[in-house]
Amino acid sequence: GENVEQHPSTLSVQEGDSAVIKCTYSDSASNYFPWYKQELGKRPQLIIDIRSNVGEKKDQRIAVTLNKTAKHFSLHITETQPEDSAVYFCAASIRAGNMLTFGGGTRLMVKP
Amino acid sequence: DAGVIQSPRHEVTEMGQEVTLRCKPISGHDYLFWYRQTMMRGLELLIYFNNNVPIDDSGMPEDRFSAKMPNASFSTLKIQPSEPRDSAVYFCASNLGQHNEQFFGPGTRLTVL
Repeated sequence: GENVEQHPSTLSVQEGDSAVIKCTYSDSASNYFPWYKQELGKRPQLIIDIRSNVGEKKDQRIAVTLNKTAKHFSLHITETQPEDSAVYFCAASIRAGNMLTFGGGTRLMVKP
Repeated sequence: DAGVIQSPRHEVTEMGQEVTLRCKPISGHDYLFWYRQTMMRGLELLIYFNNNVPIDDSGMPEDRFSAKMPNASFSTLKIQPSEPRDSAVYFCASNLGQHNEQFFGPGTRLTVL
């Protein structure tokens, strides 16, 4: 089955700096890659996703890039703010709407 | 819509007791997922249903765990007998198959003493 590795497990940045979280996946058939944000004590919520026919997608301060050849994808957050502090999970799926395999999560801390 | 509803929000029980977690998906959604989250193992998919039919239960840890979806608006995850290592947050999520986003419920925090 699919295996998703996520790095780093923790990331600390200064407010205003950029943060990058990287994930690799094993199943070349995967073609849907969402990112979820989970604040302390809350549920995971989708923040951005990308399909395999797209190399990059942006939404204001967040962007995701995908390299299908290398089987890795990354989340980029620019101009970080304290409210970006949370655990971020990447995931992969053979198709949108189907089961997701999650990475281990990255705890992002943005220091004011 | 109220979103995905889970009950109870917190459950504390003693080892050996039966535990039943409940989930009401978003109306109209045809996929329902049960996840378990722990510090050690992260977010794990236990089982998922499509149109009330279990599709993949390979994530269910052992026979003590069972899940049902008797209709489109209700699902249960049962643990019998419960053990301390079952302590975790259990999330239910749902989505509409042709769309992307899985919507998570608030979770049930289970503590088995």
